[in-house]
Amino acid sequence: AAGVIQSPRHLIKEKRETATLKCYPIPRHDTVYWYQQGPGQDPQFLISFYEKMQSDKGSIPDRFSAQQFSDYHSELNMSSLELGDSALYFCASSLGMSYTGELFFGEGSRLTVL
Amino acid sequence: GENVEQHPSTLSVQEGDSAVIKCTYSDSASNYFPWYKQELGKGPQLIIDIRSNVGEKKDQRIAVTLNKTAKHFSLHITETQPEDSAVYFCVAGGTSYGKLTFGQGTILTVHP
Repeated sequence: AAGVIQSPRHLIKEKRETATLKCYPIPRHDTVYWYQQGPGQDPQFLISFYEKMQSDKGSIPDRFSAQQFSDYHSELNMSSLELGDSALYFCASSLGMSYTGELFFGEGSRLTVL
Repeated sequence: GENVEQHPSTLSVQEGDSAVIKCTYSDSASNYFPWYKQELGKGPQLIIDIRSNVGEKKDQRIAVTLNKTAKHFSLHITETQPEDSAVYFCVAGGTSYGKLTFGQGTILTVHP
């Protein structure tokens, strides 16, 4: 079965540079979520989108922005990168905005900021 | 906001033994409690979930219990196998779309 696809899987950037992560949800899933997982930490919710509209916002820095496109894929844009932004970034998708629907996570994108 | 506490942080068992992971949550409005397994370099995968109208749920070697009054929930794995070795996260949700609050994770190691 098709899963959530994230790209790139690995990304290395310098401080103050910009990075863009992409997420392709499971076919027919219309809701995407972004999570950030620091080394040895639990995943932290950043932001979510339903039908191309932002549905909820968590601990996402102002330097980050995201959007969902008409084909339901999503992009997370990160500017003025800092060392502390080094983390695994997970995208998850679900069908509909259910409070209790199962979230399917991608394999993650590992961002390293030097 | 919601706060989820998970214990223990590491758990080492022999193959065939049982493993128990316990969690507490703070927001009484939470009503969805999934458990995720994360293997090295991979994304979290749902292994079982329980909703607030149920006290216990079992799926083969895995069972979860929920005590809403005490705001406790637990994961029980019986007859553990080496492939059960991973990080396990308890999660509380149901108060916002997809905004799951993860526990700190438990590193489970099953020794052959």
